[in-house]
Amino acid sequence: DAEITQSPRHKITETGRQVTLACHQTWNHNNMFWYRQDLGHGLRLIHYSYGVQDTNKGEVSDGYSVSRSNTEDLPLTLESAASSQTSVYFCASSAYEGLAIHTDTQYFGPGTRLTVL
Amino acid sequence: GNSVTQMEGPVTLSEEAFLTINCTYTATGYPSLFWYVQYPGEGLQLLLKATKADDKGSNKGFEATYRKETTSFHLEKGSVQVSDSAVYFCALSKGSNYKLTFGKGTLLTVNP
Repeated sequence: DAEITQSPRHKITETGRQVTLACHQTWNHNNMFWYRQDLGHGLRLIHYSYGVQDTNKGEVSDGYSVSRSNTEDLPLTLESAASSQTSVYFCASSAYEGLAIHTDTQYFGPGTRLTVL
Repeated sequence: GNSVTQMEGPVTLSEEAFLTINCTYTATGYPSLFWYVQYPGEGLQLLLKATKADDKGSNKGFEATYRKETTSFHLEKGSVQVSDSAVYFCALSKGSNYKLTFGKGTLLTVNP
């Protein structure tokens, strides 16, 4: 079955270190998204991509970057981790059906809990 | 811009009670509306959706009707079970970018 996976599931790091969170989907979806989930804020969009070599900033993109070198993966990098980036991170994907038709249903991974000390 | 407001929790119910979680939205035109559910320790799963006014989405006994006149998409279930304990998120999608805008989530706990 097609799925979307994230790794690691849990990560503890120190302030100032670079951290990369992996997201891999086998749905063959063109669209991929990264969110962070914080109490009292719900889910907030960090970055998203509509296809290979395409990346876009979301509402809370400062301190994060992504790159899309293939359809299956969208890694999220924290260039210099800060305590404010302690959160649960979710990756999601959705389909592009061609002829500029996207589906708006997103499928989510299980999440990565990141702690920055 | 687009926004979603849902009732704050937590909501605690006894098994077989009736559930309503309110959700209202702000958006121009006709967004698509969603309810996602997050079980403990898991990612979000789509529960139901509606794409146009007066549509009713339904799944697993849950229902929500797209009300354009009140800009609402309230989630209801006639008889909740312990297994329905989760966080419920209302969301909308509008425009050609197909991004989701989420509410803050409502924690539901159902006691036996």
